[in-house]
Amino acid sequence: DAMVIQNPRYQVTQFGKPVTLSCSQTLNHNVMYWYQQKSSQAPKLLFHYYDKDFNNEADTPDNFQSRRPNTSFCFLDIRSPGLGDAAMYLCATSRDLRTSGGGNEQFFGPGTRLTVL
Amino acid sequence: KQEVTQIPAALSVPEGENLVLNCSFTDSAIYNLQWFRQDPGKGLTSLLLIQSSQREQTSGRLNASLDKSSGRSTLYIAASQPGDSATYLCAVRRSQGGSEKLVFGKGTKLTVNP
Repeated sequence: DAMVIQNPRYQVTQFGKPVTLSCSQTLNHNVMYWYQQKSSQAPKLLFHYYDKDFNNEADTPDNFQSRRPNTSFCFLDIRSPGLGDAAMYLCATSRDLRTSGGGNEQFFGPGTRLTVL
Repeated sequence: KQEVTQIPAALSVPEGENLVLNCSFTDSAIYNLQWFRQDPGKGLTSLLLIQSSQREQTSGRLNASLDKSSGRSTLYIAASQPGDSATYLCAVRRSQGGSEKLVFGKGTKLTVNP
């Protein structure tokens, strides 16, 4: 089945210790997104890739970086995690508006729950 | 700035009841609206996508409507079951400049009691 996969599902890190979360997709979608979701809050977009073009949200902290080496994979790097970065991190994919004819539904992975000690 | 509101924040109903979840948005210039389901500690599952030119979409026991001019969408769930218990989120996609971004509401937490 075509899907969005996130690894690991649960990640524990120490304050200030860099961590990388990964996302892969078999949908062959050209747009990939990273969201941060804290408890009882709406998902907050951190950045997205339109093919290889990186689009950062204005309020995304510099502590968050991303890499997309190819269509299938996308990584979220947190350079120095703080206690406030503990959250669920969600990866999503879609086709872009231009090529999808409006059918650019976003499909989400299961998420990675990050704990910062 | 687009804002999405979902009321109520939580809803508890007995099994078998028909129910409606509400979503409102402040800027009617949307490309489409998507309803999601989220189980505790899990990712989001897409339920329905409504284009701005459409009035409703149906999938099984779910029916979503869209009134773009009034900035409202509803998700109707027929004959609710305990397995429907989850948080339901709506999200709108802006239409300016081909933006790919979704703006989410905080969700309605639904509990269906056996």
